[in-house]
Amino acid sequence: EAGVTQFPSHSVIEKGQTVTLRCDPISGHDNLYWYRRVMGKEIKFLLHFVKESKQDESGMPNNRFLAERTGGTYSTLKVQPAELEDSGVYFCASSRDSLAKNIQYFGAGTRLSVL
Amino acid sequence: SQQGEEDPQALSIQEGENATMNCSYKTSINNLQWYRQNSGRGLVHLILIRSNEREKHSGRLRVTLDTSKKSSSLLITASRAADTASYFCATAIMDMGRRALTFGSGTRLQVQP
Repeated sequence: EAGVTQFPSHSVIEKGQTVTLRCDPISGHDNLYWYRRVMGKEIKFLLHFVKESKQDESGMPNNRFLAERTGGTYSTLKVQPAELEDSGVYFCASSRDSLAKNIQYFGAGTRLSVL
Repeated sequence: SQQGEEDPQALSIQEGENATMNCSYKTSINNLQWYRQNSGRGLVHLILIRSNEREKHSGRLRVTLDTSKKSSSLLITASRAADTASYFCATAIMDMGRRALTFGSGTRLQVQP
């Protein structure tokens, strides 16, 4: 079974540019999560999809961030326009049954550097 | 203030020794989980303990949970060089449809061969 895959692994952009991160969850996992770790800080939740619906987007920092999951498969996270403080590692995770133990399987992350 | 603060921030031990990491949290939880992250890799789930459990074992891992003190500990026995990684505790509230995990700041473990 393939794990959660994220693309790209690393992205370097200039302030003001747009970047789109992609996450492919484990096949059959309806739940998809985005987290990020800003330098020196803890890993923080951004949002949670159940299939194509946003179940919880309480962690989204501002309206420069847009997450989509059309068709309930892969998800994209777009940052537009990117700011310096957006630099960090963005993790995606998926889980099968959110009502049970909620064990989430994580991808390797996308390291975003905004210069 | 953070949910899930861990100590120590860094720990260096010799192979064969035991490693203990602690985690504190602030709110009521449904369960607490421990994850490991090797450098440049994703987080790997290690073990989950429910709020009504006090201790759990999995191989060389032993987790304890004290809900009265809102704290947990992860013990790795007979450590190996391959255990070198960052370890994170994560709490799950799981109410009102919320499934987000709240992570601690992590403990960097270095096991010297």
